[in-house]
Amino acid sequence: ETGVTQSPTHLIKTRGQQVTLRCSSQSGHNTVSWYQQALGQGPQFIFQYYREEENGRGNFPPRFSGLQFPNYSSELNVNALELDDSALYLCASSPAQGAGPDLEAFFGQGTRLTVV
Amino acid sequence: GEDVEQSLFLSVREGDSSVINCTYTDSSSTYLYWYKQEPGAGLQLLTYIFSNMDMKQDQRLTVLLNKKDKHLSLRIADTQTGDSAIYFCAEKAYSSASKIIFGSGTRLSIRP
Repeated sequence: ETGVTQSPTHLIKTRGQQVTLRCSSQSGHNTVSWYQQALGQGPQFIFQYYREEENGRGNFPPRFSGLQFPNYSSELNVNALELDDSALYLCASSPAQGAGPDLEAFFGQGTRLTVV
Repeated sequence: GEDVEQSLFLSVREGDSSVINCTYTDSSSTYLYWYKQEPGAGLQLLTYIFSNMDMKQDQRLTVLLNKKDKHLSLRIADTQTGDSAIYFCAEKAYSSASKIIFGSGTRLSIRP
């Protein structure tokens, strides 16, 4: 168990709706990264938050947005859901921004989002 | 560009060694990782290697890195049924935001 918790574990939404996924980072970790893992694929980097600021973004459209709170927990928001947004969304927390090899090793169990 | 490739499937007999291979493209990668994902679970970091190393051994796991060919391998000695999972090769690109680039994963199945 990594100490990174995500909620909800499963979610079903309708195309066009909006969704918010939540992540509580491990105690002492100030950096949170979000990944999307489509079925049969490896995780794809969405964005990273460091001390409440977005700190880099992958190849995802603006309808994917996020927040990080003063307690370093984080939200991923997706607007105007599309069928292809169906995936496992993983959150990873680390104690500092990008410094060492295992600092992004702490992944949560993920939220499985199904868009119908 | 950043790309990580690995074969999709590997089947080995219980007790044999498993070797999972991976190639990557980003020569600026500083760390290379192997993650394990069991069904319905998140990602578990198994091991990593720094790009100036050739080999790293950790109990049953041996990682070999050929930086010239950009080839990484993970050897699991004495493979057990509990090793059944998807194994992801990944690289850490320092080009931006310290994101991790993952391969598509190799599904390891164990034959009795």
